[in-house]
Amino acid sequence: QKEVEQNSGPLSVPEGAIASLNCTYSDRGSQSFFWYRQYSGKSPELIMSIYSNGDKEDGRFTAQLNKASQYVSLLIRDSQPSDSATYLCAVRGQGGSEKLVFGKGTKLTVNP
Amino acid sequence: DGGITQSPKYLFRKEGQNVTLSCEQNLNHDAMYWYRQDPGQGLRLIYYSQIVNDFQKGDIAEGYSVSREKKESFPLTVTSAQKNPTAFYLCASMDPGAGNTIYFGEGSWLTVV
Repeated sequence: QKEVEQNSGPLSVPEGAIASLNCTYSDRGSQSFFWYRQYSGKSPELIMSIYSNGDKEDGRFTAQLNKASQYVSLLIRDSQPSDSATYLCAVRGQGGSEKLVFGKGTKLTVNP
Repeated sequence: DGGITQSPKYLFRKEGQNVTLSCEQNLNHDAMYWYRQDPGQGLRLIYYSQIVNDFQKGDIAEGYSVSREKKESFPLTVTSAQKNPTAFYLCASMDPGAGNTIYFGEGSWLTVV
């Protein structure tokens, strides 16, 4: 069974700080990695996707991928109270698999 | 506007009843998915379809059924055989032009009364 692991949290940071969210995965052949944000009672929305080792930046968000360590992270700079949500890590396996495997999510609270 | 529309948003089911959740997309995506989410849990795949008239079981297909008669539509039936159906149900489709990213509808809340 392919697994995606996240710290469930809750992770609490002050406004303006950097929030760091981590995810590990078991399938070494995984090719695509996604971070979704989910507000309470709402559906997940895509934040970032990353496919190659290294960093990918989009505004205040940076995704980091290390395939050798089977590790992907999301950094949120200058955290805002509106960033308070659950963040889901999702991984797609190799071979053109159509399925995403999701972690259970990390709940982030940004305190004003 | 292009998007994924799920209905109803809230649904109550009596024990022993079948209910059908609707999912319609106008994004021209081939692949569609149904996920279930329980409180504090991640998303678990129920069924997925990569093309019209074809679908595959996901990790928790027991007690559920689907059809894919049209590209735009992928309804999910929660049957009486599903013993614990109370959950948040999410329909999604995959955009091959965006790195095979999966996008979600707004979800449907099903409660057994």
